[in-house]
Amino acid sequence: AQKITQTQPGMFVQEKEAVTLDCTYDTSDQSYGLFWYKQPSSGEMIFLIYQGSYDEQNATEGRYSLNFQKARKSANLVISASQLGDSAMYFCAMREQDSSYKLIFGSGTRLLVRP
Amino acid sequence: DVKVTQSSRYLVKRTGEKVFLECVQDMDHENMFWYRQDPGLGLRLIYFSYDVKMKEKGDIPEGYSVSREKKERFSLILESASTNQTSMYLCASSLTGSGDEQYFGPGTRLTVT
Repeated sequence: AQKITQTQPGMFVQEKEAVTLDCTYDTSDQSYGLFWYKQPSSGEMIFLIYQGSYDEQNATEGRYSLNFQKARKSANLVISASQLGDSAMYFCAMREQDSSYKLIFGSGTRLLVRP
Repeated sequence: DVKVTQSSRYLVKRTGEKVFLECVQDMDHENMFWYRQDPGLGLRLIYFSYDVKMKEKGDIPEGYSVSREKKERFSLILESASTNQTSMYLCASSLTGSGDEQYFGPGTRLTVT
């Protein structure tokens, strides 16, 4: 069974608007971590934001925030004030407690920011 | 800044060749990983290593082997390349800690003809 699900293969957003990228996960662990990465066309994966399962506050990093809803097992990424440079693939990933630090990735969402 | 480098950005090999992909990190990270990335499938873990000479299979180890003789270097080996191994290969490293993110290299796009 898929552990990380990203249901949006592609999305458009107008420059300067906010956009939400969806991510749901499946785990029976109580302790786990959720990550979002950005992959521009150059290919390198860039870490954006991290949320621990015991963190009570939603994580924020500049224009990125993670809307963590534990009961629903969702960890959506919100990008505020989109910029043209935000056009990229975005991957949600999870690390389970007993996973030896392995990450499980979703299939990704391609975001295109329109001028 | 953490730097993870990979030996080649693009590589073209023939079926049956032995292929070496090299990865080096400069931040003394314990953990190193090899992933392959295919459209619609995200990143899938091939092998990882949590210490020198230690390795564990990931989700898709068939057809691959790895070597970690030094802490900073992690090599992925395709013993006999096949066309279904045409893919983007990404190396990553991380410290040991629950919140520690993985740092990725630029990737190697391998084509097997």
